[in-house]
Amino acid sequence: QVQLQQWGAGLWKPSETLSLTCAVYGGPFSGYYWSWIRQPPGKGLEWIGQINHSGSTNYNPSLKTRVTMSVDTSKNQISLNLTSVTAADTAVYYCVRHSRGGEYFQDWGQGTLVTVSS
Amino acid sequence: EIVMTQSPATLSVSPGERATLSCRASQSVGSNLAWYQQRPGQTPRLLIFDASTRATGIPARFSGSGSGTDFTLTISSLQSEDFAVYYCQHYNNWPPTWTFGQGTKVEIK
Repeated sequence: QVQLQQWGAGLWKPSETLSLTCAVYGGPFSGYYWSWIRQPPGKGLEWIGQINHSGSTNYNPSLKTRVTMSVDTSKNQISLNLTSVTAADTAVYYCVRHSRGGEYFQDWGQGTLVTVSS
Repeated sequence: EIVMTQSPATLSVSPGERATLSCRASQSVGSNLAWYQQRPGQTPRLLIFDASTRATGIPARFSGSGSGTDFTLTISSLQSEDFAVYYCQHYNNWPPTWTFGQGTKVEIK
């Protein structure tokens, strides 16, 4: 059973670059897509971006100019950087493994609450 | 950009009753649609994929139907653990993007 363990600071100041990391345990890393998804308090789900084991990425067009995702295959980890954060970026951020075909979201990390506040 | 619209926003149902949730796509998405359940304080869980296939371990009271632009999630007899928020989601091939509906909250009547 794959486990996704994510971590990162929970409080960021406006204009800073948010950084989160997710480690994958108990399952294959290559051959899957990996995404970050966020959920503002009391609101719905928003896909942020997707990466595969070779580092190929796709980003949500609404966030594309601020998002960078990377992968470390030696550690089975993926990372998210989001620049110039504002209060609107306050959300629970999830690391997610896609289904084998990539279309859906199969396995979810525990989520990290990120608050942007001065 | 394909927009996914769910209705109603909130559905009030008594335990044991049937719940019918709708998801509409702004253009045809074939059968490329999933449903997720998110219980309070929990992470989302994949319920249905390819519009009508139950994910592993999902009870038979959950069923999905539809294709093209109109999709339905039906919960045949609501159990206490089914009161939650449900999201539909579509994957667009090119450019690769994943889009959620805004969610339907199923609450106890």
